Amino acid sequence: AQTVTQSQPEMSVQEAETVTLSCTYDTSESDYYLFWYKQPPSRQMILVIRQEAYKQQNATENRFSVNFQKAAKSFSLKISDSQLGDAAMYFCAWVPSYGKLTFGQGTILTVHP
Amino acid sequence: NAGVTQTPKFQVLKTGQSMTLQCAQDMNHNSMYWYRQDPGMGLRLIYYSASEGTTDKGEVPNGYNVSRLNKREFSLRLESAAPSQTSVYFCASSRDRLGEQYFGPGTRLTVT
Repeated sequence: AQTVTQSQPEMSVQEAETVTLSCTYDTSESDYYLFWYKQPPSRQMILVIRQEAYKQQNATENRFSVNFQKAAKSFSLKISDSQLGDAAMYFCAWVPSYGKLTFGQGTILTVHP
Repeated sequence: NAGVTQTPKFQVLKTGQSMTLQCAQDMNHNSMYWYRQDPGMGLRLIYYSASEGTTDKGEVPNGYNVSRLNKREFSLRLESAAPSQTSVYFCASSRDRLGEQYFGPGTRLTVT
């Protein structure tokens, strides 16, 4: 079975500091995509960043970047210069070429002022 | 441009009642999805429609049916609601199966 594991149920960070959220996945597929989604208390799911497995270069979006280690099946999210608005549940997700998105269990991120 | 809309936002049902959750997208996306989110868990795929006219089961399809009415609309039906179906339901759409998924605001359903 294809699985996505987020081993950190909760994380906290001080405002302006950096935090890294972990994600590992298990698949025998070679062609797939990885995502990080953010879910604030409003419940709205928001895409944070996307990584294509065939790309060696790690994706970045402003203060958000990933460390994609394909051989290790690891896809961590780094948030730099954390802001109060970054507080949310973060979900790692994986989709293979046949298109069924699988989510991890989520990590609750708290940002302290 | 409303994105993905869902109705209703909240619903309370009694065990055995039926209802349909509606979802519509105005982004001309080909693929649409229904997920449920339970406390302490990520989203789990119920059904999806890769393109107009097709539907496929996801991880947790039992107790649900879907209809891809047209390219814009994808409904989820509970024929005989059970307390185990108490959850938050999200609809999503994407340009294609591998594209970024855009989510609706969710429907909180309680079955008593």
